[in-house]
Amino acid sequence: SQQGEEDPQALSIQEGENATMNCSYKTSINNLQWYRQNSGRGLVHLILIRSNEREKHSGRLRVTLDTSKKSSSLLITASRAADTASYFCATDAWGNEKLTFGTGTRLTIIP
Amino acid sequence: EAGVAQSPRYKIIEKRQSVAFWCNPISGHATLYWYQQILGQGPKLLIQFQNNGVVDDSQLPKDRFSAERLKGVDSTLKIQPAKLEDSAVYLCASSRNKRGYEQFFGPGTRLTVL
Repeated sequence: SQQGEEDPQALSIQEGENATMNCSYKTSINNLQWYRQNSGRGLVHLILIRSNEREKHSGRLRVTLDTSKKSSSLLITASRAADTASYFCATDAWGNEKLTFGTGTRLTIIP
Repeated sequence: EAGVAQSPRYKIIEKRQSVAFWCNPISGHATLYWYQQILGQGPKLLIQFQNNGVVDDSQLPKDRFSAERLKGVDSTLKIQPAKLEDSAVYLCASSRNKRGYEQFFGPGTRLTVL
């Protein structure tokens, strides 16, 4: 079963705008990661945030984590056509090292 | 460093046939994963190896799927016999160690079962 659920399922924005994707999960976690998948390719790791962290930045990416609401958000600023991809959150939990992926958000950047 | 290698990239078989996938992880990575990704869904872990031992195979359909990791390096995933619902992309990934490390994914093998 999927632990995480991304929202929205699909998102289309104009190039240059900011894109925000949300991830909700069901059980307490140890770490949360975000991955990007371009069409027909493998996944690429974007960022990892630990349960005791609230925010992390990496280039144009900003991730927040709210463990009280069991949710995370991924913000991509100043979007580019190359950001068109599916984005997945993935969690692992105490006592369960398995990384469980969400259902993904399909992001389309319109040039 | 070289990435995770997988072969073949595409495979088409008839139901009830057998198929095998191969994965070569990043050198030095202790942990290797096989995922199944059905179209429109996130990857689902099938099996996780730590060196050449199995850490988690709770979601591996053991009546038809098998996997091994030879000498803690390369790995093969086999399906025998295949069913229509096995049509998916099979992704191999590796990481330096278990929990808390980013995973590096290969390009995947797209399997179509007719």
